[in-house]
Amino acid sequence: SSELTQDPAVSVALGQTVRITCQGDSLRSYHANWYQQKPGQAPVVVFYGKNNRPSGIPDRFSGSRSGNTASLTITGAQAEDEADYYCNSRDSSGNHLLFGGGTKLTVL
Amino acid sequence: QVQLQESGPGRVKPSQTLSLTCTVSGGSITSGGYYWSWIRQHPGKGLEWIGYISYSGSTSYNPSLTGRLTISVDPPKNQFSLELSSVTAADTAVYYCAREADYYDRSDYYWGRAFDIWGQGTMVTVSS
Repeated sequence: SSELTQDPAVSVALGQTVRITCQGDSLRSYHANWYQQKPGQAPVVVFYGKNNRPSGIPDRFSGSRSGNTASLTITGAQAEDEADYYCNSRDSSGNHLLFGGGTKLTVL
Repeated sequence: QVQLQESGPGRVKPSQTLSLTCTVSGGSITSGGYYWSWIRQHPGKGLEWIGYISYSGSTSYNPSLTGRLTISVDPPKNQFSLELSSVTAADTAVYYCAREADYYDRSDYYWGRAFDIWGQGTMVTVSS
């Protein structure tokens, strides 16, 4: 498969938990990485692989995978988490990279 | 601390070649375990991987751009470059250079890669 599918938009109440998902056949073989992009800025990796959070990223960000779906969970969403989130992985051949279409997260 | 900086013309005429350079500072472009990528973002849209060149010089390109695309590396200058030929308005986008780094996850014996450093991006408009 050559696609990663994300919901275009998700909203969460301040302090609540939200899950952003990414679906694709290649995710059965490859882990996803997650990037946060705020307006006018370059993306920043917030979680990668099975269980890796870059230094400086709050531990409210976590990731998981089940079957062909990878998820980014934000536990106790903050106002500063409002951003676009993109998943990325490899295609089924493993030779090329893919990005999901992105999910716009609104914190209410 | 490694930093990336894109440079190149902000406007290219249709049918011409778009050329961008990414300068790597704070580290060597030939260091093992890194892949140097170009990624673009059309106005108001999502991210699109364009292609990469590895620390060893091998390349991989987005199949939708193969035939128009060349990514090369200049180790003495610590730079890598993008050339996209026969551009149209559909190539108007913010172009990012980024470093993809290998990582090993011992919990499931998995070798993966993730984009850990990005340039600030440069807007390229294709217009006559």
